[in-house]
Amino acid sequence: NAGVTQTPKFQVLKTGQSMTLQCAQDMNHEYMSWYRQDPGMGLRLIHYSVGAGITDQGEVPNGYNVSRSTTEDFPLRLLSAAPSQTSVYFCASSYLIRGRGYTFGSGTRLTVV
Amino acid sequence: GQNIDQPTEMTATEGAIVQINCTYQTSGFNGLFWYQQHAGEAPTFLSYNVLDGLEEKGRFSSFLSRSKGYSYLLLKELQMKDSASYLCAVRERTGNYGGSQGNLIFGKGTKLSVKP
Repeated sequence: NAGVTQTPKFQVLKTGQSMTLQCAQDMNHEYMSWYRQDPGMGLRLIHYSVGAGITDQGEVPNGYNVSRSTTEDFPLRLLSAAPSQTSVYFCASSYLIRGRGYTFGSGTRLTVV
Repeated sequence: GQNIDQPTEMTATEGAIVQINCTYQTSGFNGLFWYQQHAGEAPTFLSYNVLDGLEEKGRFSSFLSRSKGYSYLLLKELQMKDSASYLCAVRERTGNYGGSQGNLIFGKGTKLSVKP
């Protein structure tokens, strides 16, 4: 039982490059979300999904796209990376009904130069 | 909108008790969570309150007053390994999607340093 798996763990991009951060969970969780964590800012919600085919924006969605084609996967895409997107990114998932237990992935540390 | 406040840093002594406060203003309140995060690691779940009162789990307790928009996390018998950031998060109902789940909105975290 792997829980929430994020890849890669570390990534360096050049400004303007694109990439996809992967998030997969094997707990059959309906709800999945992406956060970024910056020093002094706490965790901020980027996008979330309540099931396959349903996504919505969080607090800081600009510059990021998501899709949810399966229950298990919730990739985060950076179309044109900017230095302001240098951050640690966390994916989290939970059941939609059970009320507790958001499980976090181990994070992706992204640097945009 | 939402606003969640907690102290930026706290220092305590090994073996002592420390209380970390969290105040919040939010719409659609649907529960309050405390997470622990060691440097360079992911947040891990500590406690959950949805009704007023105290929830106890070993050395950790969490209290909620919904009318005051206030919670605290109480750590007893502090150990060096308790040095970490403690994150207060409020769950808000997620649009019209139904269910009891929702988005977690986090405070900026309290960095606790435990000294010998």
